[in-house]
Amino acid sequence: DAKTTQPPSMDCAEGRAANLPCNHSTISGNEYVYWYRQIHSQGPQYIIHGLKNNETNEMASLIITEDRKSSTLILPHATLRDTAVYYCIVRGGVSGNTPLVFGKGTRLSVIA
Amino acid sequence: SQTIHQWPATLVQPVGSPLSLECTVEGTSNPNLYWYRQAAGRGLQLLFYSVGIGQISSEVPQNLSASRPQDRQFILSSKKLLLSDSGFYLCAWSSDTQYFGPGTRLTVL
Repeated sequence: DAKTTQPPSMDCAEGRAANLPCNHSTISGNEYVYWYRQIHSQGPQYIIHGLKNNETNEMASLIITEDRKSSTLILPHATLRDTAVYYCIVRGGVSGNTPLVFGKGTRLSVIA
Repeated sequence: SQTIHQWPATLVQPVGSPLSLECTVEGTSNPNLYWYRQAAGRGLQLLFYSVGIGQISSEVPQNLSASRPQDRQFILSSKKLLLSDSGFYLCAWSSDTQYFGPGTRLTVL
């Protein structure tokens, strides 16, 4: 079972920041928060991951609360191509031995 | 850089026919490999994963099997397809982060 809770859908205006929330209240100390997205008919695409510090890369920023029970993925300037299902996943360690378990994700619609 | 290939991209098969889907990874050695399935309108379901040649872990009892004959090759098979086997099959590899292939869309008629 997925260890995360996400809203089923969100809308965002093109050019505005998209803020996607995720609750993971049962996260344990060695578990990381991963974000992936799946554009229609494609395989999931890795976005970003973090343990407890905020992280930023060329795609997005990840803000993790101090108690680590929730996080927010931020797409700073959403475009129509960012329309996708976004998955927040809690995964034990960065060892590649632990498979990702996907929940239902958030369907983000970017609107012109 | 690492790349992951899956073929075929699409496949239409009759009920009761066999299946073989292939996944290969380039640019890395001894990766962990995974097979997922996504039924229409549903989430991704982990089917199998492998941490090495000949080592397969099955997550869900299925009409499917997996094999890893070489370090960077992962094969998904079935002896007799069911209608419920239709879906989008995704292969993935990981060292630390998990990366997905382009997928195979299977329709069983």
